[in-house]
Amino acid sequence: AQSVTQLDSQVPVFEEAPVELRCNYSSSVSVYLFWYVQYPNQGLQLLLKYLSGSTLVKGINGFEAEFNKSQTSFHLRKPSVHISDTAEYFCAVSAGNQGGKLIFGQGTELSVKP
Amino acid sequence: GAVVSQHPSWVICKSGTSVKIECRSLDFQATTMFWYRQFPKQSLMLMATSNEGSKATYEQGVEKDKFLINHASLTLSTLTVTSAHPEDSSFYICSVPRQGSYEQYFGPGTRLTVT
Repeated sequence: AQSVTQLDSQVPVFEEAPVELRCNYSSSVSVYLFWYVQYPNQGLQLLLKYLSGSTLVKGINGFEAEFNKSQTSFHLRKPSVHISDTAEYFCAVSAGNQGGKLIFGQGTELSVKP
Repeated sequence: GAVVSQHPSWVICKSGTSVKIECRSLDFQATTMFWYRQFPKQSLMLMATSNEGSKATYEQGVEKDKFLINHASLTLSTLTVTSAHPEDSSFYICSVPRQGSYEQYFGPGTRLTVT
């Protein structure tokens, strides 16, 4: 079985500062990793995904993440955040033999302050 | 534009009544759709996998007789919350995986409030 742990439930940060949202996973099989963003009362939007290949993945809105197999991590980063990045961020994992089912982490609330 | 739609976007119902939520794939056909529920300030919990042409597959702990899922066509899945109670109040979200890809597209969600 797979599991995902997001290490920070809330991350407050000032505008234009860098941010890192941490995600660790566990799995006995190869996995695919995702970061989603959710704005209040809305569905989820895909930020980026790691399926294979380069371990540094670039996504939308200036976000990037690095897959680290040895540390079973997939941390999300942005060098300079904006007020509009305030939202809930979810890390998710899908195992190749699970028919596409996603297992989500607990979520990290990113709050960008002016 | 939207790839997945849900209807209604929000619904209020009285305890004991049933509510049907629709999930439509707008851009491509889907033999599989997923249903999640999300409580306030919490993560998404997978409830079940909707399968076109066969019964839904429910996750452990989810009552299949309470949450009826029907994959009516290759573009439509419905979730019916039967005999709803206040504890069923939640945000219900569906997702549609694109075949050949591990990417999923999420609907905008349905806010259910049971009074």
